[in-house]
Amino acid sequence: GAGVSQSPRYKVTKRGQDVALRCDPISGHVSLYWYRQALGQGPEFLTYFNYEAQQDKSGLPNDRFSAERPEGSISTLTIQRTEQRDSAMYRCASSSGSSYNSPLHFGNGTRLTVT
Amino acid sequence: LAKTTQPISMDSYEGQEVNITCSHNNIATNDYITWYQQFPSQGPRFIIQGYKTKVTNEVASLFIPADRKSSTLSLPRVSLSDTAVYYCLVGAPTSGTYKYIFGTGTRLKVLA
Repeated sequence: GAGVSQSPRYKVTKRGQDVALRCDPISGHVSLYWYRQALGQGPEFLTYFNYEAQQDKSGLPNDRFSAERPEGSISTLTIQRTEQRDSAMYRCASSSGSSYNSPLHFGNGTRLTVT
Repeated sequence: LAKTTQPISMDSYEGQEVNITCSHNNIATNDYITWYQQFPSQGPRFIIQGYKTKVTNEVASLFIPADRKSSTLSLPRVSLSDTAVYYCLVGAPTSGTYKYIFGTGTRLKVLA
């Protein structure tokens, strides 16, 4: 079946612009995660949803970052007034959440470049 | 949250068995141990998961001692295509650990 889909695959934007990154999780997966990954580093946790509820947003760097999942399926990560330091790979993952050991399934990510 | 510590890098030759050990001294009672593999330009991919003793699947084995303060991922007879970064994570929703934390991982390089 289809895996986690992220769009766009690449995004180049100018400093100060807003961007919206989309994640379409595996159908039926109740849990959705956003991570950010710098080159040569492990994924850095940003936020987590259980159904439509944002359970943890402690990893969001500042108030320019926000995320939503209004219907418990597709999620959008929005970065307002982008800065060059926001340049990174943004990865979404979903899990079935149906059992205590549900693994994460990752998408291929969105590469964001802020010029 | 249980923190994990892994070697930063390892080299091996094709056909050898590779063992990567992860330390997680503060693992909680309900935490599971999960390993992911990541190739360049791809997202991490689930390899194996366990709670205690030994788990084996078609890709790898996972050894967990009785105290669960560490775990060892074993890759039998590695090939060049096993060159990747391997991450060890601990946590489980039932223990309240929804925030799965990735460390820097172990960069495995398989040489011909």
